Amino acid sequence: GDSVTQMEGPVTLSEEAFLTINCTYTATGYPSLFWYVQYPGEGLQLLLKATKADDKGSNKGFEATYRKETTSFHLEKGSVQVSDSAVYFCALNPNTGNQFYFGTGTSLTVIP
Amino acid sequence: DAGVIQSPRHEVTEMGQEVTLRCKPISGHDYLFWYRQTMMRGLELLIYFNNNVPIDDSGMPEDRFSAKMPNASFSTLKIQPSEPRDSAVYFCASSFIWRAGTEAFFGQGTRLTVV
Repeated sequence: GDSVTQMEGPVTLSEEAFLTINCTYTATGYPSLFWYVQYPGEGLQLLLKATKADDKGSNKGFEATYRKETTSFHLEKGSVQVSDSAVYFCALNPNTGNQFYFGTGTSLTVIP
Repeated sequence: DAGVIQSPRHEVTEMGQEVTLRCKPISGHDYLFWYRQTMMRGLELLIYFNNNVPIDDSGMPEDRFSAKMPNASFSTLKIQPSEPRDSAVYFCASSFIWRAGTEAFFGQGTRLTVV
């Protein structure tokens, strides 16, 4: 079935470090892919998305490229800030109906 | 729009009591989802509705859990009787009618503690 697997956390980085959070997916068709972010005490918010192969989603300095050949959608940011500390979720919608599958989440802590 | 609104934000109840969680989706959204988040199991889909009709409730853990959507602007998730293992954060989310790239909008969640 459709599923998402993302990198185990927690991840701790120093400010201005490079961030990569790995995400791979399994889907039978052509899913849409998403990264959501959850700040402490809040709900999930959409960070970026991509709807087809080779699309790059970007927002707030974060980027992720939809790679069909490796079934991946890794999240990257060149220089993290303390304010990026949050839990990041990779998700897919298989586009065969309105259903969302979420990864387990990766906790990121950025220290000054 | 104010976004997805959930109430209460926090609920503490005793084991065996009935708990009702409430959700108001974004106006015009056709889909409504209930999720449960725990440290052990992450984010789990419990049930989702399309146009107020339950489509998939296979994630509802037991008969103690029930969900309703009497109209397009309101849904409830009820646990009766509640147990300590039900302690979690429960999220409601809504989205527009499906098309590629449709995103789900989440409420701020209800933190349930059963003692």
